[in-house]
Amino acid sequence: GQNIDQPTEMTATEGAIVQINCTYQTSGFNGLFWYQQHAGEAPTFLSYNVLDGLEEKGRFSSFLSRSKGYSYLLLKELQMKDSASYLCAVRGLSASKIIFGSGTRLSIRP
Amino acid sequence: ETGVTQSPTHLIKTRGQQVTLRCSSQSGHNTVSWYQQALGQGPQFIFQYYREEENGRGNFPPRFSGLQFPNYSSELNVNALELDDSALYLCASSVATSGGKRDTQYFGPGTRLTVL
Repeated sequence: GQNIDQPTEMTATEGAIVQINCTYQTSGFNGLFWYQQHAGEAPTFLSYNVLDGLEEKGRFSSFLSRSKGYSYLLLKELQMKDSASYLCAVRGLSASKIIFGSGTRLSIRP
Repeated sequence: ETGVTQSPTHLIKTRGQQVTLRCSSQSGHNTVSWYQQALGQGPQFIFQYYREEENGRGNFPPRFSGLQFPNYSSELNVNALELDDSALYLCASSVATSGGKRDTQYFGPGTRLTVL
């Protein structure tokens, strides 16, 4: 079967660092995406990993380990506007089909 | 802003009716994917269209159908609406060459469908 697991909810403090984990089991692997989705809005693209290692983009970094079926999204210097759901998604054998996890709802407190 | 547009923004239908949702892809993108997102869940893949042909389908019944037009815009049609069809419907556009280049999908704002 195909499955993506990520925590349902997380809370962090403004200015701190938070790591959102994602584990996946899919038929084949052709890349992992992270999207941010504010309530009532469309998902917006954050990062894409296809090779093992860390990809850094400003305050956000994403890590991938294909052998472990594991990824994380690291958010630094948290701001109140980072309160949103974070979606982990995997492209499997079929290039057309991307499977999304249920999302992690991140709340930032002052 | 991704340049992907969807219409209408909101829609209310009754059980058994039919609905058509529309999506215009980002300039330069020739592939459109449709997703259904229930409250509190991640998007579920319905299907993808590339060069006016269906290019992959998720676990949705045949009453979910689609079209892609020569300008790469797309429609999602749902027949015989059921209460469980109430959701946010998202389309996402991306670039794909005939060799199946894998590219990032950019989402439109979605259509919120309510079935009563």
